[in-house]
Amino acid sequence: AQRVTQPEKLLSVFKGAPVELKCNYSYSGSPELFWYVQYSRQRLQLLLRHISRESIKGFTADLNKGETSFHLKKPFAQEEDSAMYYCALYSGAGSYQLTFGKGTKLSVIP
Amino acid sequence: GAGVSQSPSNKVTEKGKDVELRCDPISGHTALYWYRQSLGQGLEFLIYFQGNSAPDKSGLPSDRFSAERTGGSVSTLTIQRTQQEDSAVYLCASSLMGGGHTDTQYFGPGTRLTVL
Repeated sequence: AQRVTQPEKLLSVFKGAPVELKCNYSYSGSPELFWYVQYSRQRLQLLLRHISRESIKGFTADLNKGETSFHLKKPFAQEEDSAMYYCALYSGAGSYQLTFGKGTKLSVIP
Repeated sequence: GAGVSQSPSNKVTEKGKDVELRCDPISGHTALYWYRQSLGQGLEFLIYFQGNSAPDKSGLPSDRFSAERTGGSVSTLTIQRTQQEDSAVYLCASSLMGGGHTDTQYFGPGTRLTVL
């Protein structure tokens, strides 16, 4: 069975400081990983997916199969980055639901 | 265009009552998902509909939970004989094809269910 672990419930950083939100997964096959974000009073939305190897709003994430990690990084945090971040895994087998971590609340201090 | 909509936004009910939660997916999306988000927990998959195929009900926590999708569009999640542990935010998502990593799931605003 697949599992996604986000070890930090809350992460506080100062504006301009680097940010790293940790995500580790457990899955025996070849997973597809995503980061979703939920800003205050807004709905959950896709931030980025590893398959696209893209940078969205300055965030990047690299899939490390050796360490089974998919950490989300940004070199300089902005106040508008404050939100809940969820790492999610798609197993590619069976139906197409996502397995989510419990989320990390990022707070950027001005 | 309009995103995924859900109603009601909030529902307070008494233990033992039945509740119905509604989801209107994005027009043209063939796949529809229900998730549950309990306090301090991540999103938990409940059920998945894809076109006219039989739904994947593997995430439903008990037989008190059921869902249907009429005409391949609107979906209703029904919880019978509600219990306090059913209190959570119920999220609906839809996607164009239900085809995995290239298919983005778009989420609704959720229904916050409180069982007293």
